[in-house]
Amino acid sequence: DAKTTQPPSMDCAEGRAANLPCNHSTISGNEYVYWYRQIHSQGPQYIIHGLKNNETNEMASLIITEDRKSSTLILPHATLRDTAVYYCIARNDYKLSFGAGTTVTVRA
Amino acid sequence: GAVVSQHPSRVICKSGTSVKIECRSLDFQATTMFWYRQFPKQSLMLMATSNEGSKATYEQGVEKDKFLINHASLTLSTLTVTSAHPEDSSFYICSASASGREKGYTFGSGTRLTVV
Repeated sequence: DAKTTQPPSMDCAEGRAANLPCNHSTISGNEYVYWYRQIHSQGPQYIIHGLKNNETNEMASLIITEDRKSSTLILPHATLRDTAVYYCIARNDYKLSFGAGTTVTVRA
Repeated sequence: GAVVSQHPSRVICKSGTSVKIECRSLDFQATTMFWYRQFPKQSLMLMATSNEGSKATYEQGVEKDKFLINHASLTLSTLTVTSAHPEDSSFYICSASASGREKGYTFGSGTRLTVV
């Protein structure tokens, strides 16, 4: 899997959009970008994934640059319950390898 | 849909004893299951991959005789930590995937193992 780079932490205000960047400059053509999050002392939760096109679901939007070297996860209206560690993973086989992730703290 | 149940959620055991952790896919058949370990303030580290009906594949540095994995059915995988020691204390998490599922993997809620 391609290595991904994320900022170690970020704060955002409740009710505002949270934009989480991820760099995956060595990603290959068949590697998907996956986002998971882990709330303290729980198992990771799937958020969204994409290959080339931007994706949106009920939880978030995923914006992938045209060269696929980076992506942004957007939480449109952050709530206190979105406080978690967010992992960006570039995956091309059956395994998921987790990096350090971004610790997102949503503040009231 | 796609629920993975992990049991127990917490366990405390004495040093030298063995502990079994169960991971069940409740509403789908999991052809592949994965076991992760997570130490405090660290990320998840993949320990092994188990496929139903075959031997598990262990990641480099993970002792297969210490961490026994059994994937006897399409809905159940077990991880047994044998002769546990305090350094085995960790958060163990399983995940499961069914073939053809695009959403990747569903994770269990984790098991907090404390060896005293």
